Amino acid sequence: GAVVSQHPSWVICKSGTSVKIECRSLDFQATTMFWYRQFPKQSLMLMATSNEGSKATYEQGVEKDKFLINHASLTLSTLTVTSAHPEDSSFYICSATTWGQPAETQYFGPGTRLLVL
Amino acid sequence: AQSVTQLDSHVSVSEGTPVLLRCNYSSSYSPSLFWYVQHPNKGLQLLLKYTSAATLVKGINGFEAEFKKSETSFHLTKPSAHMSDAAEYFCVVLTLGDMRFGAGTRLTVKP
Repeated sequence: GAVVSQHPSWVICKSGTSVKIECRSLDFQATTMFWYRQFPKQSLMLMATSNEGSKATYEQGVEKDKFLINHASLTLSTLTVTSAHPEDSSFYICSATTWGQPAETQYFGPGTRLLVL
Repeated sequence: AQSVTQLDSHVSVSEGTPVLLRCNYSSSYSPSLFWYVQHPNKGLQLLLKYTSAATLVKGINGFEAEFKKSETSFHLTKPSAHMSDAAEYFCVVLTLGDMRFGAGTRLTVKP
């Protein structure tokens, strides 16, 4: 089946530093990738949607200068949390969609846990 | 616009008894519907999905869900709960590339 990986799975950083999270589709070409964040004991909140080669579309309330998304190829999207602060600590999950299925199908990565000290 | 509502934030059952996790959706188009499970500190795992084929969908680990268009529901069931089923469950609606998650239902299984 389709596999999406994320790297790193865990990251701890100091306040003020930037952190890059990678999301890769391993065995398919992802037409669209999504980035979510999940706070403890809460549901996933969509942050942004990115299509390969174009600018990401951010959800209302998500700072695009804070959360930089680059979707350089059909198999890789990156999320950079710039000047991270403790309130950015969260579980970040990416997913990818691909066409050619009977209906849209989305594959999730395993998530990246970010802790900002 | 579309949305999904999970009617129970927490469900507690005894091991061996049936599980029912309720989900209602709203969508202007024919949606795809999913149930995902998330164990503590783990990523999401797809349990099952409805994509306009059979309305009764069977998933992994003995779970199944029935799509009822007239009731706009997609409830998740399992005949007999196992301790390993304790987790957070998310109902998800997907239409035209827009995916919306329910708030989640925490399932507790008592021995």
